[in-house]
Amino acid sequence: EAGVTQSPTHLIKTRGQQVTLRCSPISGHTSVYWYQQALGLGLQFLLWYDEGEERNRGNFPPRFSGRQFPNYSSELNVNALELEDSALYLCASSLFVGSSYEQYFGPGTRLTVT
Amino acid sequence: DAKTTQPPSMDCAEGRAANLPCNHSTISGNEYVYWYRQIHSQGPQYIIHGLKNNETNEMASLIITEDRKSSTLILPHATLRDTAVYYCIFGGSNYKLTFGKGTLLTVNP
Repeated sequence: EAGVTQSPTHLIKTRGQQVTLRCSPISGHTSVYWYQQALGLGLQFLLWYDEGEERNRGNFPPRFSGRQFPNYSSELNVNALELEDSALYLCASSLFVGSSYEQYFGPGTRLTVT
Repeated sequence: DAKTTQPPSMDCAEGRAANLPCNHSTISGNEYVYWYRQIHSQGPQYIIHGLKNNETNEMASLIITEDRKSSTLILPHATLRDTAVYYCIFGGSNYKLTFGKGTLLTVNP
């Protein structure tokens, strides 16, 4: 069974630019979660999508947005990039089965903003 | 956010069992304990979870005390590839994972 996939693996952007990160969940999983992990810091929850709807959002500015497609894949968009947006962006998926923290993560996209 | 207490680091010899403790004294009756690990620069990996009973899967065993205030993750035969930061978390009403500092397990040859 294929795991969660993310693209691209690495990305270098300049301040002020926009970026789109992509995630494909495990087959059959309807929930997709996005996290930011800056170097040396913990996991910061960004967004949760389920069945195409945004279900929950972390404490991030509106320039972080995303969407989930009918096939449950997802995109994370970051506008007006700032230097502090440099981080590992992780996507996870799960079956939405009540209250569950059983999430499966992809390898991440390492974004560097210069 | 729910708080757990884990030792910052532990060492284990390759081939031996690694026993990683976690205190979660504020856990409530319907909250599961989850364990994840993160190998350097990779995405976190789900290991196991449990509510009251001990659990075992192909990766590890989870022992939860009767009062549910603490648990121990057991890697029965640690390998060098098990070197990682291990996180214990609990929760039941929210879907965002929040990791504490975790335990850096170093498996030595």
